[in-house]
Order: sequence, then structure tokens, then C-alpha cells
Amino acid sequence: QVQLVESGGGVVQPGGSLRLSCAASGFTFNNFGMHWVRQAPGKGPEWVAFIRSDGRNKYYEDSVKGRFALSRDNSKNTLDLQMNSLRAEDTAIYYCAKAPDIAAAGFDHWGQGTLVTVSS
Amino acid sequence: QSALTQPPSASGSPGQSVTISCIGTSSDIGYYNYVSWYQQHPGKAPKLIISHVTNRPSGVPDRFSGSKSGNTASLTVSGLQAEDEADYYCASYAGSVTWVFGGGTKLTVL
Repeated sequence: QVQLVESGGGVVQPGGSLRLSCAASGFTFNNFGMHWVRQAPGKGPEWVAFIRSDGRNKYYEDSVKGRFALSRDNSKNTLDLQMNSLRAEDTAIYYCAKAPDIAAAGFDHWGQGTLVTVSS
Repeated sequence: QSALTQPPSASGSPGQSVTISCIGTSSDIGYYNYVSWYQQHPGKAPKLIISHVTNRPSGVPDRFSGSKSGNTASLTVSGLQAEDEADYYCASYAGSVTWVFGGGTKLTVL
């Protein structure tokens, strides 16, 4: 069965950096695009970033462009999100999510999430 | 892109049916048949329950159904059960490799 396990969350000061990781198993990782989706406390989810299966193309939500960088290692079945210049509004649970065969169709499996808190 | 609009709450008694709406625009829901719905219990990750507007993934009860008309998508839960009490979120592809979510609807089973 598909399993996605995030790690790397924590408390960081505004302007700081954090690197999130997602370990994937139970499916052929290099065949599928992958997303990061975040959810602020008491709010709905917000799509953050998407990377295609081969890692060549990456896409970001406007508010994180230039600050966040997505990468994947298909040999290790891992997905990373490097987050720089963090702001209070980046505080959220960050979920790694798998895209289905047709990537536009959304998010078919989610990890349990990792909490990022940006606070002084 | 703006978030999709959902009612903050919905409720029904066991056995009843409830429909949750999700209002988008002609650039997302109205243009693409890539509307999905997610169920989220407290402290848990969202779970996909409807994709491609109407498709139920394997294992999702047929009490859950989806539809779309114009810029509005809907999720109907028939034969409400206690375990259906959760938050429900809609999402849509919004073009240019971006996605947008709704603000969520808290479903209460009375």
C-alpha cells in the first residue's frame, strides 16, 4: 500500500530555513508526480508545489516562488522541500501527496504531515 | 488563484442525505473536469473520496457521490452514518499547473 512519511518540521524564526523530506513506498515512485500541500491551523488545505515524475519540471504557488525549492531523488524514493526566508504565514502542517496517473486530477494519497511553526 | 467557496457547516440525521456545494469560477471548476473531494477527520490527513468530479476510489462507500454544474461542484452523502462526521474539502485543477482548494465544510451527524 502507498505510504508517505514526512519529516523535518519544527519551530523556526522568521527569515529562517527548514528542509522537509518525504519518504515514499508502496508504489513506483519514479512514475508519478508529487505535491506538497499545507494546511494552516483551522484552515483548508493550500497547494504549495508540484514536481513531475522525472524531476525536470517544478511548479510553485505564487507566495512561495523564489523562497521554496522542490527536489526529488528517484533512486531513494524521496521528495524534499527546501524552505527559505520563512514567514509567520508559512506556519502550517505540510503534507506530501502523491499525484494520480493524470496529475491534474489532484492528490490520491497523503502522508500524515509535519508541522512547521514560524515564530520568534 | 482564489479559494473555492464552501459552506462552513452542514448537518443531517443518521440515514438522511446531505449535499455540500463548492463554488468556483469558469477558470477552474467550470473549465476542467478535475474536481476532487477529501474527507478529513480531526488530527488526520485528508483522504481522497471523489476524483474526476464523480469517480469514487476503491474502498470509498457508494454513499458518497459527486456532481458538477457550471462553476459549482457538489458532494452528496446519502444514508448518513456517524463516521461520516468530518471536515470535507473540494479541490480543482486551475490551469497552468496549479490547484485550488475550498475552505472546508464541517459535517455534523445529529
